[in-house]
Amino acid sequence: DGGITQSPKYLFRKEGQNVTLSCEQNLNHDAMYWYRQDPGQGLRLIYYSQIVNDFQKGDIAEGYSVSREKKESFPLTVTSAQKNPTAFYLCASSMTRTGTNYGYTFGSGTRLTVV
Amino acid sequence: DQQVKQNSPSLSVQEGRISILNCDYTNSMFDYFLWYKKYPAEGPTFLISISSIKDKNEDGRFTVFLNKSAKHLSLHIVPSQPGDSAVYFCAAPYGGSQGNLIFGKGTKLSVKP
Repeated sequence: DGGITQSPKYLFRKEGQNVTLSCEQNLNHDAMYWYRQDPGQGLRLIYYSQIVNDFQKGDIAEGYSVSREKKESFPLTVTSAQKNPTAFYLCASSMTRTGTNYGYTFGSGTRLTVV
Repeated sequence: DQQVKQNSPSLSVQEGRISILNCDYTNSMFDYFLWYKKYPAEGPTFLISISSIKDKNEDGRFTVFLNKSAKHLSLHIVPSQPGDSAVYFCAAPYGGSQGNLIFGKGTKLSVKP
């Protein structure tokens, strides 16, 4: 079955460490996204990528970095510069940015906690 | 400035009754709207959408109404079931019809048996 896989489901980070969250999709989708969910804040866009080797900052990109070396993969690194990294991170993908086909498919998320 | 607003953080409804979730938007250029449903510790799933050329779209127990003059849309669930208990997000593409989705803060629906 096609889908989008995030790993790990739970992740603990010590202060000052960088951590990388994995996101893989086998839907042949062009675009991929990273969102962050905080209580009462909804979903906020961190980074997005429309094609391989290209990505754009979203609304809250500071302290994060991404790469898009393969169409299927869009890992997110939470760096030590991110002051409040504890949150639920969601990866999504979509077929195209053109037209009105906004079939975002979301992964099941990664809960990151700073200890 | 929040362009998609869900002003009710929570809603409680009795099983079998109607649930009405509201969403307001500020950008008159939005031409497409979506509702997503999210269970705890899971990713959101697409529920229903509506184009700005329509004022209503129905899919089974779910109906979305759009009032462009008021910049308001609502999601009706009839009849509500306990399995509908989840957080519902309203979303719209910004930056034109090819833009990325911007989400509201969500409304947590609780359907009591």
